[in-house]
Amino acid sequence: DTAVSQTPKYLVTQMGNDKSIKCEQNLGHDTMYWYKQDSKKFLKIMFSYNNKELIINETVPNRFSPKSPDKAHLNLHINSLELGDSAVYFCASSYLLPVGPANTGELFFGEGSRLTVL
Amino acid sequence: AQSVTQLDSHVSVSEGTPVLLRCNYSSSYSPSLFWYVQHPNKGLQLLLKYTSAATLVKGINGFEAEFKKSETSFHLTKPSAHMSDAAEYFCVVKGGTALIFGKGTTLSVSS
Repeated sequence: DTAVSQTPKYLVTQMGNDKSIKCEQNLGHDTMYWYKQDSKKFLKIMFSYNNKELIINETVPNRFSPKSPDKAHLNLHINSLELGDSAVYFCASSYLLPVGPANTGELFFGEGSRLTVL
Repeated sequence: AQSVTQLDSHVSVSEGTPVLLRCNYSSSYSPSLFWYVQHPNKGLQLLLKYTSAATLVKGINGFEAEFKKSETSFHLTKPSAHMSDAAEYFCVVKGGTALIFGKGTTLSVSS
């Protein structure tokens, strides 16, 4: 069973288009995240939702809009794509607060969605 | 504010020799620290974590890390490198609700 799954895995599109990436987790976590990994492998938090409520909203262009229909899903919609949006986008999930020695807030990641804007 | 600094962007070792990946952290309180590994074209996998229990933490695949408060370090080690260890390694600190990643260290292993 895949714990955190993202679709699509690869996405190639033209500048100016709108695209979405979907994420689902079956771990029962209450918090989900979107991270962006640039060409230098640097990972930066973009958004985080806890039980469908936005709790982290980093400095990200408002062309990026997350949506969490329930605590198991966090989707990312990007409008008017630009060349600089090309990156790998990782979804992750966790418990917001530690629930014991076995789970201390670490994140579980999906395999990433590689977005290429031409 | 919490942050981590990975001191080497690239480390090269020969198969069978020890691995040392260095990480210093900055935190205003007792931190939670992690090491994650990313193999090419894959997601990130948790190697090990420190959460104020034992200062020497053992992880998967023979890796371990030692939390040294006096040196604000959390270096990752392995006694004997294997070809399959070649990957990107991230030192991570928990800052509030999110994880803050270091810039990564690329580990190359030659035969």
